[in-house]
Amino acid sequence: GAVVSQHPSWVICKSGTSVKIECRSLDFQATTMFWYRQFPKQSLMLMATSNEGSKATYEQGVEKDKFLINHASLTLSTLTVTSAHPEDSSFYICSSSAGFSTNNSPLHFGNGTRLTVT
Amino acid sequence: QQQVKQSPQSLIVQKGGISIINCAYENTAFDYFPWYQQFPGKGPALLIAIRPDVSEKKEGRFTISFNKSAKQFSLHIMDSQPGDSATYFCAASIMVFSDYKLSFGAGTTVTVRA
Repeated sequence: GAVVSQHPSWVICKSGTSVKIECRSLDFQATTMFWYRQFPKQSLMLMATSNEGSKATYEQGVEKDKFLINHASLTLSTLTVTSAHPEDSSFYICSSSAGFSTNNSPLHFGNGTRLTVT
Repeated sequence: QQQVKQSPQSLIVQKGGISIINCAYENTAFDYFPWYQQFPGKGPALLIAIRPDVSEKKEGRFTISFNKSAKQFSLHIMDSQPGDSATYFCAASIMVFSDYKLSFGAGTTVTVRA
C-alpha cells in the first residue's frame, strides 16, 4: 500500500485563488520532504526541500512567496500555491523519507496532484 | 542545467526484447544512482538503485550497469513485457550531504509492443 499519501489527486481552481496540497507519510516519520513539479512529458524539477520544524529550502528560481511550504509535523507537509495563475498548472509531486544516512530508509513518492488553473 | 543527461528520449521494443537506457553525469560527488518508473498520472516508483562502489546490480529483470570512470550508468530491462511500458527516469544524489536530494534525468518513454 501507499506509504506517502498526497491529497488531492487533482484540483481545478480559478485564477487568483490559492490551493493547498497535502503530503502525509503514513507509517513513518518523515524528517525531510521534497516537493517536485512536473510538466507534461518532462522530468521532475525539485522545487523545495522541507524539514520538520524549520523553514523550507527553495531551489533557484522558485518563488517562496508563491509556493508556501509548511512542514509542521513529522508526518505532514503542505504546499500552498498562492494566487494561482494558469502557468502554475502542473503536476506536483511530494516525496519523503525517514532518512537514508540515519535509517537507510528508501525515498517514497506520493501519487501527485494535477493542478489546473482556469 | 541538467546535471544528469539521459538518452534516448523514447524507445520501442518488442515483447521479450531488451530495453537499454543510458545516463551520464558530471558531478563526481554523486554517490547514489536510482532508477524510477512512472506510469501516467502517478508518482515515480523506485525500481533499483546503485552506489558507486558497485559496477553492476541486478534485481529480477532489471539491471544497472555503472561505469565510474566514464561517469555513466545504464538500465537494462530484460525480457521486456507490455506492463513495462512506462517512463523511466535515472537520478543522482549526494547522499552524505543531502539525503535524497535527487537530480533527475529527462526521462525515457518505453513502449513494449506485444
